[in-house]
Amino acid sequence: ILNVEQSPQSLHVQEGDSTNFTCSFPSSNFYALHWYRWETAKSPEALFVMTLNGDEKKKGRISATLNTKEGYSYLYIKGSQPEDSATYLCAFSAGGGADGLTFGKGTHLIIQP
Amino acid sequence: NAGVTQTPKFRVLKTGQSMTLLCAQDMNHEYMYWYRQDPGMGLRLIHYSVGEGTTAKGEVPDGYNVSRLKKQNFLLGLESAAPSQTSVYFCASSYFGPQGYEQYFGPGTRLTVT
Repeated sequence: ILNVEQSPQSLHVQEGDSTNFTCSFPSSNFYALHWYRWETAKSPEALFVMTLNGDEKKKGRISATLNTKEGYSYLYIKGSQPEDSATYLCAFSAGGGADGLTFGKGTHLIIQP
Repeated sequence: NAGVTQTPKFRVLKTGQSMTLLCAQDMNHEYMYWYRQDPGMGLRLIHYSVGEGTTAKGEVPDGYNVSRLKKQNFLLGLESAAPSQTSVYFCASSYFGPQGYEQYFGPGTRLTVT
C-alpha cells in the first residue's frame, strides 16, 4: 500500500499572510503528483498535475513545486484570502497514470479575517 | 454539460440489503473511478475502469462489484451491505489531456448502513 503523507493536518492563517504545506510520497514508480482543492459540501477540484522533477506550476496566487527524487511537493498560497479556506488534497499516481490515485488525508486550511 | 453526476445523493440501507450507485459522465472520458471517503482517512480507491467493458480492483474492493457496460456510466454495487460500508462515495472520471490524468469528481453519495 502506497503512503501519501500531508502536513500539517490543519492550519489557521491570517488573511493576507502567505502559507505553504507539504506532501510526501513514494519516490519509486512515480508517474504524477496531483493537488486538489476541496471546499465543504462540494467536490474536489483539480489544481495541478505535475509529472517532472523540478516542475513548478502556478494558478493565480497558488503555486506548487515537485521533487520526485526525494518524494515531496509543496503547495504555496500567497496573500491568503477567506475564499482560500478549504481542504487541500495531494494524490500520487504510479505506473501508467490511469490506474487511480492514492490520496493523502489533506491539509485543512482556515483563513481568519 | 453536467460533468460527473451521481445517483442517489443519499441512501440509508439495512444490513444485508443490496443497492447500486450510478455514476454518469458526459465528457467522453475513457477512465472512471470509485472512491470512498471516511473520517480521518484519505479518499480510497475501490474499483476503476480504463475503458468500456473493463474494470479493475483498487485499494479497498472487498464487498463491492462494478460494471462499465457503457462508456459514460460506471456502476458500483453492494450485494449485501454492512455497517463498515457506511461512507461517502465519490465517482471520478479522467482522460489523458494537457494536465495529464486530471480527475473530475462527482458530488458524492452519502450511504448509511444500519
